[in-house]
Amino acid sequence: GAGVSQSPSNKVTEKGKDVELRCDPISGHTALYWYRQSLGQGLEFLIYFQGNSAPDKSGLPSDRFSAERTGGSVSTLTIQRTQQEDSAVYLCASSLASGGPPYNEQFFGPGTRLTVL
Amino acid sequence: RKEVEQDPGPFNVPEGATVAFNCTYSNSASQSFFWYRQDCRKEPKLLMSVYSSGNEDGRFTAQLNRASQYISLLIRDSKLSDSATYLCVVRRGGSYIPTFGRGTSLIVHP
Repeated sequence: GAGVSQSPSNKVTEKGKDVELRCDPISGHTALYWYRQSLGQGLEFLIYFQGNSAPDKSGLPSDRFSAERTGGSVSTLTIQRTQQEDSAVYLCASSLASGGPPYNEQFFGPGTRLTVL
Repeated sequence: RKEVEQDPGPFNVPEGATVAFNCTYSNSASQSFFWYRQDCRKEPKLLMSVYSSGNEDGRFTAQLNRASQYISLLIRDSKLSDSATYLCVVRRGGSYIPTFGRGTSLIVHP
């Protein structure tokens, strides 16, 4: 079946511009996560959505970052007034639910590589 | 102390070798454990969940040691295609947010 998809795969933008990154989770998965990974670094948690509950935004690095999840499916991560330090790969993952394994096993999309000039 | 720690490596082994990685975690309330592999410039992919009794999937065996707070991954009969970074992932009980280790790099050479 279809996996997690993300678009665009690559995005080059100028400092100060806003960008929107999209994630389509696996159909039926209620949990959705956004992470970012800088070159040679580990995964940094950004935000978590579970069903219709309020998202856990505890990982967002600044108020320039926001995310929405419409209809419990597609999610959009928005970065306003981009800075060079925002350059990274932004990864989306979904899982069936939030319980123990295998329900909380995460499946990742291919990521969006963001470059801020 | 970091919540999840891994030896970054690289572990450089010949084809056919057996190699083992450990991952230590600091929070004793951790309840879910996973190993992911990540190829260069690719997304992480689930390798296996780690269960209390230990589990095996082909050439891969995962173990959990709660007393010493570590999980391990054993790879037997290494293949060139096993070359990747192996990420340890831990989730605390009551939290939905997993913590990823920085990964251990494995290079399998002919």
